[in-house]
Amino acid sequence: GAVVSQHPSRVICKSGTSVKIECRSLDFQATTMFWYRQFPKQSLMLMATSNEGSKATYEQGVEKDKFLINHASLTLSTLTVTSAHPEDSSFYICSARDQGAGFYEQYFGPGTRLTVT
Amino acid sequence: LAKTTQPISMDSYEGQEVNITCSHNNIATNDYITWYQQFPSQGPRFIIQGYKTKVTNEVASLFIPADRKSSTLSLPRVSLSDTAVYYCLVVIYGGSQGNLIFGKGTKLSVKP
Repeated sequence: GAVVSQHPSRVICKSGTSVKIECRSLDFQATTMFWYRQFPKQSLMLMATSNEGSKATYEQGVEKDKFLINHASLTLSTLTVTSAHPEDSSFYICSARDQGAGFYEQYFGPGTRLTVT
Repeated sequence: LAKTTQPISMDSYEGQEVNITCSHNNIATNDYITWYQQFPSQGPRFIIQGYKTKVTNEVASLFIPADRKSSTLSLPRVSLSDTAVYYCLVVIYGGSQGNLIFGKGTKLSVKP
């Protein structure tokens, strides 16, 4: 099956610094990728939709200047958490949609655990 | 997108069949029912998807009545490794965006 990778798997950073998370589709092309955030014991919350070659679409309440998304190629999307604060500590998960398949062919990455101290 | 309602948690024992029901009263004609499984600190994994009647794969079965206002995910003979959170989603097939909206999910605990 299709594989989506994320890097790093976990990261610890100091308050005020920025962190970049990569999401890659390893064996398929993805014109659209999605970024989710999940707090402990809660469900996944969609943050933004990342479109290759164009600006990302952010969900209501998500600050686009804080969570910078770049989808520069058909296999890579990055999420940069700028000026991170402890409340940004969460589990960040990306997913990629196989452009050649139906809607449900959406594959999730293993997630990135961000801890801001 | 239709809202889904499912039990917060369920307990079972190894070897038993587990049925998780999801309610989606406002499902639309073009909506499909999709289930995902998530283990702690991992991304969700697609389990099964269907439109009506019954769908079966190597992992589970999905039962959808004629009115499609509910669906039941059936896991045969569960094992300890099936302990996870199961999400029921209603999505539009072929939608241009394809974004998935997750509800609270059902936390299944399988005991020995």
